[in-house]
Amino acid sequence: EPEVTQTPSHQVTQMGQEVILRCVPISNHLYFYWYRQILGQKVEFLVSFYNNEISEKSEIFDDQFSVERPDGSNFTLKIRSTKLEDSAMYFCASSERQYSNQPQHFGDGTRLSIL
Amino acid sequence: SQQGEEDPQALSIQEGENATMNCSYKTSINNLQWYRQNSGRGLVHLILIRSNEREKHSGRLRVTLDTSKKSSSLLITASRAADTASYFCAAGGGADGLTFGKGTHLIIQP
Repeated sequence: EPEVTQTPSHQVTQMGQEVILRCVPISNHLYFYWYRQILGQKVEFLVSFYNNEISEKSEIFDDQFSVERPDGSNFTLKIRSTKLEDSAMYFCASSERQYSNQPQHFGDGTRLSIL
Repeated sequence: SQQGEEDPQALSIQEGENATMNCSYKTSINNLQWYRQNSGRGLVHLILIRSNEREKHSGRLRVTLDTSKKSSSLLITASRAADTASYFCAAGGGADGLTFGKGTHLIIQP
């Protein structure tokens, strides 16, 4: 069964550095998402992406964050000038269509640790 | 926000027993989804129930929805050790993304 893959599984970065998290969504999916889960807290929506542009973003997704689909397969989340509070699991998800009745398919996440 | 909130926060039962988890949400919804998360893994979609449905089944899963009470329940029948995981309800979706509750951590004792 096709799946969403994320790399790396664990990223350790010094505070202030830039980090890029990578995702390969399911090939025939057109809608992509990033979510964050701080340890012990809820999974939180960051951003949705379609047709090479952001559809919606949450309050968390400030100027520190950016997303890109640099080629036909990868979908990336860039965090500039990382802070300690950016430490979390970051999940990528994709869906075939951007309707609320569509299930989203999640990757296994990247654990980001900011030192 | 269309927050989902699950209860209980944790549930431990014996293998073979049924497990019931509840979810409450705040605003009107078009549908509600349930997801499972095994330790260290991503979320896996289990089932979606539309706002005009009251009950839905999928294998050992049974989901109910009461829009008048803004609540949903997930029943897992004949639980197995492999059902040990965290279970989340999620509202919203589409361009706005899903809004998840904190989840119910289910432990199935062998």
